[in-house]
Amino acid sequence: AQTVTQSQPEMSVQEAETVTLSCTYDTSESDYYLFWYKQPPSRQMILVIRQEAYKQQNATENRFSVNFQKAAKSFSLKISDSQLGDAAMYFCAYRSAQGAQKLVFGQGTRLTINP
Amino acid sequence: DSGVTQTPKHLITATGQRVTLRCSPRSGDLSVYWYQQSLDQGLQFLIQYYNGEERAKGNILERFSAQQFPDLHSELNLSSLELGDSALYFCASSVASGAPYEQYFGPGTRLTVT
Repeated sequence: AQTVTQSQPEMSVQEAETVTLSCTYDTSESDYYLFWYKQPPSRQMILVIRQEAYKQQNATENRFSVNFQKAAKSFSLKISDSQLGDAAMYFCAYRSAQGAQKLVFGQGTRLTINP
Repeated sequence: DSGVTQTPKHLITATGQRVTLRCSPRSGDLSVYWYQQSLDQGLQFLIQYYNGEERAKGNILERFSAQQFPDLHSELNLSSLELGDSALYFCASSVASGAPYEQYFGPGTRLTVT
């Protein structure tokens, strides 16, 4: 079974600075998808960014980018120019490319933005 | 707004009771997923339906059941409720049951069992 680990329960960053959230995963599959979801205080789950395992290029969405290291099974999220609205729980998630389409989530990292 | 709706937003009930959570997927989405978010277990996949048929099962208790109706809305039934069932229950939907398709989450139903 696949597992996802987020080793940082909490992180904080100064507004306008850059922060990196860590995620590692365990799988025996070669084809899969990885995601970062944001959960603000409203509790809504919002997709931030996704990465296909077969793509070597790291995904980027505006101020959000990932560092995908397939051999190391590492998938970190970098947030540049942090804004107060970035404060939230961030979840790393894994989904197989075959079979069940369920998302497997890490335990989450609570990100605080200091003004 | 993801386009996925869930009712009710909040539900408070007593142990031993039964409740039904409802989910309406985005227009055109055929696949529905249910997830449970609790302090103890984190975010866990419960079950998936695709066009009315059960497609995948996760850590769903025998006291829980779900179904997807011909109009594609889905219901999650929780019975013989225990204090530990208190959680946020999310429904997500996707166009089809395939890997490239994104799952869009509803706002969740917060269940409190007293």
